[in-house]
Amino acid sequence: DTEVTQTPKHLVMGMTNKKSLKCEQHMGHRAMYWYKQKAKKPPELMFVYSYEKLSINESVPSRFSPECPNSSLLNLHLHALQPEDSALYLCASSFRTSGSSYEQYFGPGTRLTVT
Amino acid sequence: GDSVTQMEGPVTLSEEAFLTINCTYTATGYPSLFWYVQYPGEGLQLLLKATKADDKGSNKGFEATYRKETTSFHLEKGSVQVSDSAVYFCALIHVDQGGSEKLVFGKGTKLTVNP
Repeated sequence: DTEVTQTPKHLVMGMTNKKSLKCEQHMGHRAMYWYKQKAKKPPELMFVYSYEKLSINESVPSRFSPECPNSSLLNLHLHALQPEDSALYLCASSFRTSGSSYEQYFGPGTRLTVT
Repeated sequence: GDSVTQMEGPVTLSEEAFLTINCTYTATGYPSLFWYVQYPGEGLQLLLKATKADDKGSNKGFEATYRKETTSFHLEKGSVQVSDSAVYFCALIHVDQGGSEKLVFGKGTKLTVNP
């Protein structure tokens, strides 16, 4: 099973709302990632969790708050977003983040629209 | 820093035509190289990879060879199908100062195959 699942598939939220994105994998991967992808652009890395600890934060605004409750789950909590945060949010996982170049497996993404 | 340059396209081909999408990289050392594909409305899928010089990655009729001398990893397919229409991303693994590995993507190449 090489599947990463993400929910919801689509999300529309106002600038004052609080919402969460969810990502799940059951491949035994110990590294999980959040990416943001704008139209016609490559994904941009936001956060990396390694063994359930935040290892990389790419200077993401605090209105995005990641959480890794266990090795299979990754959440992204959203609060007070701006319209420019509208994008496709992708989750990915890999066996590890260092020591060897393990490929990352991506989920289908959550299409977020901020109104 | 490490970077990936790929032809931006768009590339439009007729079915059964030969495909080449050029990708060159700049990196210290010899990073692992990847091609990811993104079908419309979906997340990224790993298409193929190569981890050392002269390695050839292949999958679904696509091939790419890791060329150290020319720092290239060009994607090829002998006979494209309409179902190959997608955006293709070339990527490498960059190791940061903390030892964590991050994907560095090219800008993507949109391929459209007409019947």
